[in-house]
Amino acid sequence: DQQVKQNSPSLSVQEGRISILNCDYTNSMFDYFLWYKKYPAEGPTFLISISSIKDKNEDGRFTVFLNKSAKHLSLHIVPSQPGDSAVYFCAASATSGTYKYIFGTGTRLKVLA
Amino acid sequence: SQTIHQWPATLVQPVGSPLSLECTVEGTSNPNLYWYRQAAGRGLQLLFYSVGIGQISSEVPQNLSASRPQDRQFILSSKKLLLSDSGFYLCAWSTRLHRVRGYGYTFGSGTRLTVV
Repeated sequence: DQQVKQNSPSLSVQEGRISILNCDYTNSMFDYFLWYKKYPAEGPTFLISISSIKDKNEDGRFTVFLNKSAKHLSLHIVPSQPGDSAVYFCAASATSGTYKYIFGTGTRLKVLA
Repeated sequence: SQTIHQWPATLVQPVGSPLSLECTVEGTSNPNLYWYRQAAGRGLQLLFYSVGIGQISSEVPQNLSASRPQDRQFILSSKKLLLSDSGFYLCAWSTRLHRVRGYGYTFGSGTRLTVV
């Protein structure tokens, strides 16, 4: 049972335009969400987080939106740059002492120069 | 500052051979530790996590085991590797303070394991 889903395995965007990466989850107990960026043969790098008490969080070019009723979150990258080309994972967890995150399958973003 | 070390970076092992991957964390105390695997074309699957020395929780039944002999050391092992154990293995750590500050895990650089 895939509790966190990223239904788009890949996405191509022109440099300077907006990239929108989507993520859906099924477990209503999830209350904390993360986005990670991963290059090949490297560990994922933390990008941005959002808790369920918010519906938006911004950090520079990255904004995460959370729609709790739809169990949906999205990552917006504006403007997109060639260096943003990577695989992006969303992850979710429920409040507990384990801080255990369930990851989606990832979306490969390619930013075209 | 906190750092996480994971080794080796790559490993090619024959089927049926044993495995030991090590992960150590510096600069923090009593972290939660995690082992994830990324199989080819798939997402990150949580294998094991540990909230303290000697405390291991397994997420999926498999051919692997984990141990935490010291506070900041996490080891992934197998007695006999299978072809299906091939993948990219990642160690990660987190603490309650990280969570409160809005951070997620910090991952190691990973180990590419190929079982032949």
